[in-house]
Amino acid sequence: AQKVTQAQTEISVVEKEDVTLDCVYETRDTTYYLFWYKQPPSGELVFLIRRNSFDEQNEISGRYSWNFQKSTSSFNFTITASQVVDSAVYFCALSADGNNDMRFGAGTRLTVKP
Amino acid sequence: DTAVSQTPKYLVTQMGNDKSIKCEQNLGHDTMYWYKQDSKKFLKIMFSYNNKELIINETVPNRFSPKSPDKAHLNLHINSLELGDSAVYFCASSQEWFREADTQYFGPGTRLTVL
Repeated sequence: AQKVTQAQTEISVVEKEDVTLDCVYETRDTTYYLFWYKQPPSGELVFLIRRNSFDEQNEISGRYSWNFQKSTSSFNFTITASQVVDSAVYFCALSADGNNDMRFGAGTRLTVKP
Repeated sequence: DTAVSQTPKYLVTQMGNDKSIKCEQNLGHDTMYWYKQDSKKFLKIMFSYNNKELIINETVPNRFSPKSPDKAHLNLHINSLELGDSAVYFCASSQEWFREADTQYFGPGTRLTVL
């Protein structure tokens, strides 16, 4: 069985602060993929990143960075120097077992105040 | 051009009605999906579909049925709507079938309100 836990329901920061969104996953599969999606107030789901279970190298994309640690089954997402436009609900998701059944976490609502 | 599109964006209807939500993808993908997002923002898969197979989440009532006129479209039909069906419904697509590696690209969502 697969499970994704995003323990932080809501986070509020002031602009320019750094913020980390936590994601912990459970799976028995050795091959799996982890994703982050952003859902801004407009409602659409925007793909941010995909990471496979064999690649633990951290990734940086502009102000976004992701820390994948298999030892703790975590795939955390950090936004550096947050901006108001980063305000959204962020979802972590897991796909494994070859069944295309992507399991989403409950989401973390990030509010960035000016 | 929008990669995955859905119509309508908003749908308000009475209990007991039958309604459809349309989804189209222009990515050339083989697999399409329907998800339901409830009021607490929890996303749950309803269907996975390509031209060979349909996988239905066992928790989905049989009042819900996907219909695919061609590879680029997967419409969602809902019969005898109930209050609990109120949610945002997302369509998504991915390149291949049974490939956990594939990224799923989502449509903008359809907010269904049942009165």
